Amino acid sequence: QKEVEQDPGPLSVPEGAIVSLNCTYSNSAFQYFMWYRQYSRKGPELLMYTYSSGNKEDGRFTAQVDKSSKYISLFIRDSQPSDSATYLCAMRERGNTDKLIFGTGTRLQVFP
Amino acid sequence: SQTIHQWPATLVQPVGSPLSLECTVEGTSNPNLYWYRQAAGRGLQLLFYSVGIGQISSEVPQNLSASRPQDRQFILSSKKLLLSDSGFYLCAWSEGVGQYFGPGTRLTVT
Repeated sequence: QKEVEQDPGPLSVPEGAIVSLNCTYSNSAFQYFMWYRQYSRKGPELLMYTYSSGNKEDGRFTAQVDKSSKYISLFIRDSQPSDSATYLCAMRERGNTDKLIFGTGTRLQVFP
Repeated sequence: SQTIHQWPATLVQPVGSPLSLECTVEGTSNPNLYWYRQAAGRGLQLLFYSVGIGQISSEVPQNLSASRPQDRQFILSSKKLLLSDSGFYLCAWSEGVGQYFGPGTRLTVT
């Protein structure tokens, strides 16, 4: 079993839709949870991160962590064609190491 | 602000040839540095990380090596490339919680 599981998609939605992207994980020691956006042939860009459980909102993006279920989500409201990209979740343990464990990414396509 | 550079952007090399990819970071001191490889549909694989000059940790056995000759310079090398070394190579640095990636080098071994 992989430490982090993510549906590869592709996920295709119309402009304006609410998008839900998800990851599950198995390591209960993970404390920091991140979402990256990667456009084709570019490096990943850190969108947002959360510590432990709860929600965090940044504009149209909301990150949610449910540690009891080992499940994290990224919601995108009012999706735009410019949101079309691959979204990777990443997580790490608290402590001296800052090594991240990544999901394989979900490809999202928002069509006009 | 911090900036990370990688070059070259694209590289096509024959099997058995050497490799040298370079990464430099500006605007920060003593960063942790990372090399990743991203193969299609397989996510990001951590290859090496470094917490300081001359300090390299290898995550997977392979024919690649890394060096950090200066505080903000990280180099990925190989003496003889294999077909399986093809992929998208990403350098990253970290500060606080997240890691921040460079633009990447797309390597095709023929």
